[in-house]
Amino acid sequence: AQTIHQWPVAEIKAVGSPLSLGCTIKGKSSPNLYWYWQATGGTLQQLFYSITVGQVESVVQLNLSASRPKDDQFILSTEKLLLSHSGFYLCAWRTANSDYTFGSGTRLLVI
Amino acid sequence: GDKVKQSPSALSLQEGTNSALRCNFSIAATTVQWFLQNPRGSLINLFYLVPGTKENGRLKSTFNSKESYSTLHIRDAQLEDSGTYFCAPSGSWQLIFGSGTQLTVMP
Repeated sequence: AQTIHQWPVAEIKAVGSPLSLGCTIKGKSSPNLYWYWQATGGTLQQLFYSITVGQVESVVQLNLSASRPKDDQFILSTEKLLLSHSGFYLCAWRTANSDYTFGSGTRLLVI
Repeated sequence: GDKVKQSPSALSLQEGTNSALRCNFSIAATTVQWFLQNPRGSLINLFYLVPGTKENGRLKSTFNSKESYSTLHIRDAQLEDSGTYFCAPSGSWQLIFGSGTQLTVMP
């Protein structure tokens, strides 16, 4: 069975500090991977997607970057956090003709 | 404007009653997913639809690709059905979410 794991579960960070969020998918080879962001009380907005190792496409610019260093790993990061980065970050995977499956998310508060 | 519009934005139901949620979209979607977001934030897959209808217990969903809409019917609502329901049509490399319907089921 496929599993998707996100870390950390929650973070409180200072404005201007760096950030790294991780996502690992087990049990599925070469999945398409996605990062989504949700402001409190808002809808989910796609940030990045990746269809293969080393390749990432940006959908929305939020002063964030993403990388896929391994087939089963997707990283979201920034050198300097802004207050507007606060929210809920979700990682998802899918393969061709399958549904999107989401991780349990990381809640980020920037102060 | 919004590519995916959900209605109503909020809904209160008495336990045991029925309701329908609507999702209209302006993208060329090949599939539609419905999710329930629980208070912890987890997204629970409810349906993954190609054009047509699926049923699962008290839930039933339809995707009409020609008219670009989807519906989610809830029968005999229970307290545990409370949460935010998101519709998300998919085309190309994007799954685009609507703004959600916040459902409260009251005893």
